[in-house]
Amino acid sequence: DGGITQSPKYLFRKEGQNVTLSCEQNLNHDAMYWYRQDPGQGLRLIYYSQIVNDFQKGDIAEGYSVSREKKESFPLTVTSAQKNPTAFYLCASSTGPGGNQPQHFGDGTRLSIL
Amino acid sequence: RKEVEQDPGPFNVPEGATVAFNCTYSNSASQSFFWYRQDCRKEPKLLMSVYSSGNEDGRFTAQLNRASQYISLLIRDSKLSDSATYLCVVTPYSGYNKLIFGAGTRLAVHP
Repeated sequence: DGGITQSPKYLFRKEGQNVTLSCEQNLNHDAMYWYRQDPGQGLRLIYYSQIVNDFQKGDIAEGYSVSREKKESFPLTVTSAQKNPTAFYLCASSTGPGGNQPQHFGDGTRLSIL
Repeated sequence: RKEVEQDPGPFNVPEGATVAFNCTYSNSASQSFFWYRQDCRKEPKLLMSVYSSGNEDGRFTAQLNRASQYISLLIRDSKLSDSATYLCVVTPYSGYNKLIFGAGTRLAVHP
């Protein structure tokens, strides 16, 4: 079945630690995205990539980094500079740039601070 | 002002009821509109796109009013399984696939 796989489902971060969230898709989608969701709030865009080897900052990129070396993969690193990392992180993909393309989501990673 | 605003609810309705949600957006150049459904502690899933002429998918009807910059979702004959948070989603302008998400409207359907 085609889809988006995020791992791990739950992740705990210690003070000063960098952690990496995995996102893999087999939908052959060009565009991929990372969002953060806090309770009672809408999704906020962290980073997005419209094509391999290219990515752009979203609205809340500070304290995060990404890479897009392969079409299928778009890992997100939450660095120690992100002081409030506890949230639900969602990865999404779409067929490509173009405002009429809906996005499909993975089932998310819940990150908490130890 | 938020780019996409929704009434957070919750809307508590009995099974079989008809319920409507509205959503307003601030950017008049917005091009594409969607409704997503998000179950508790799960990922959002596309419910339906919203077209200028309005569109229907079974018990769900979506409407777009560009002049007033609002989108609506009507659910007829509510089922217990419709209980979820409904997210209004807007693309700011053409050729750019950034989606702006509303915070969502929570619906609770009770027996």
